[in-house]
Amino acid sequence: DAGVIQSPRHEVTEMGQEVTLRCKPISGHDYLFWYRQTMMRGLELLIYFNNNVPIDDSGMPEDRFSAKMPNASFSTLKIQPSEPRDSAVYFCASSFAPVYSNQPQHFGDGTRLSIL
Amino acid sequence: EDQVTQSPEALRLQEGESSSLNCSYTVSGLRGLFWYRQDPGKGPEFLFTLYSAGEEKEKERLKATLTKKESFLHITAPKPEDSATYLCAVQGGETSGSRLTFGEGTQLTVNP
Repeated sequence: DAGVIQSPRHEVTEMGQEVTLRCKPISGHDYLFWYRQTMMRGLELLIYFNNNVPIDDSGMPEDRFSAKMPNASFSTLKIQPSEPRDSAVYFCASSFAPVYSNQPQHFGDGTRLSIL
Repeated sequence: EDQVTQSPEALRLQEGESSSLNCSYTVSGLRGLFWYRQDPGKGPEFLFTLYSAGEEKEKERLKATLTKKESFLHITAPKPEDSATYLCAVQGGETSGSRLTFGEGTQLTVNP
């Protein structure tokens, strides 16, 4: 059974460029989460979706960040324009049901983003 | 606001030397406490969920316990392959929705 698939695994780009990160959740999972991990702040939730609808985007740092989920098998996180402080590892996770119903979140292997 | 503090930040053990990792939390209405393992270059891998004080769960050399204020991850007779960063996360009350709050993690190194 395939896990959460993220692409690209690594992205290096220059400041000001648009960056798009992609995620394919586990089939049948109806919750999708985007996280950012840095040494300074650890693992932070950016936004999560339920049945393709954004539920909580309070962790999105600013308007330069946007996320979409056009269908149950695909989501994107976009940064435009990118800045060096956006450099981090971005993780996507999915779960079968709300976390409090005993279903854990399953994580992809992340996208390591470097903004020069 | 939910808060999670893990200690120590780093722990170095000899193979076979048992120890414990701590996760202290402040949350309004705990609905779940989660332990994950993260290897370098990988995403967090789910280990355990604990829901109520007194609950314990085991998996191979790992045992997780929960009180009203903290959780412990006990590692018995660790092996080098147990080396990883261990993350603790909590889910709070209804206002938290499905949001998890993670601690900074404990980086465990087990030397042969």
